[in-house]
Amino acid sequence: GAVVSQHPSRVICKSGTSVKIECRSLDFQATTMFWYRQFPKQSLMLMATSNEGSKATYEQGVEKDKFLINHASLTLSTLTVTSAHPEDSSFYICSARRASSYNEQFFGPGTRLTVL
Amino acid sequence: GQQVMQIPQYQHVQEGEDFTTYCNSSTTLSNIQWYKQRPGGHPVFLIQLVKSGEVKKQKRLTFQFGEAKKNSSLHITATQTTDVGTSFCAGRPGGSNYQLIWGAGTKLIIKP
Repeated sequence: GAVVSQHPSRVICKSGTSVKIECRSLDFQATTMFWYRQFPKQSLMLMATSNEGSKATYEQGVEKDKFLINHASLTLSTLTVTSAHPEDSSFYICSARRASSYNEQFFGPGTRLTVL
Repeated sequence: GQQVMQIPQYQHVQEGEDFTTYCNSSTTLSNIQWYKQRPGGHPVFLIQLVKSGEVKKQKRLTFQFGEAKKNSSLHITATQTTDVGTSFCAGRPGGSNYQLIWGAGTKLIIKP
């Protein structure tokens, strides 16, 4: 149990276009989902925390108008990179928190975004 | 702000040698979690430590939480090629029900 899927796994787009990434918890309800960005050989950088039915909480330095997050249901959160630029190219990973004694996070497989 | 420092950044070992990564928090933590990310993969939850001075073992892995709940370590005995990857610690500050502060990770590399 506790599987998180992410779609697409890879996307290549032109500069100026928008890209939507979906994160789904397949076999549990996730009241909280997290979006991370990971640069090559670096740690996870938390971008935002998303609670179902409410506005996402963005970390300092992350543009909310640039990275739109929607958490429409207990099993789905989406991240839209608007007007993408080459510097937005990165590995984006979502995670979902399962309500348990551990409150551990389960990660999706990630999305490799390349902006040309 | 709150930080979790993790060292070393890289560790090169011969297969069969031991490996340890350390995390130190600037503030007291309510708990600390450890995750493992294999090359090309995503982080996978390993364990959570909650109690002061707690020690937990998973086969060749030993996890410790300091008495002051500000530091933690992961020790791998007799490393194998399957241990390669990056180990992350993530601490939860006291009073937070979901915020995790992530360490930078330690990448384990097995020498050929």
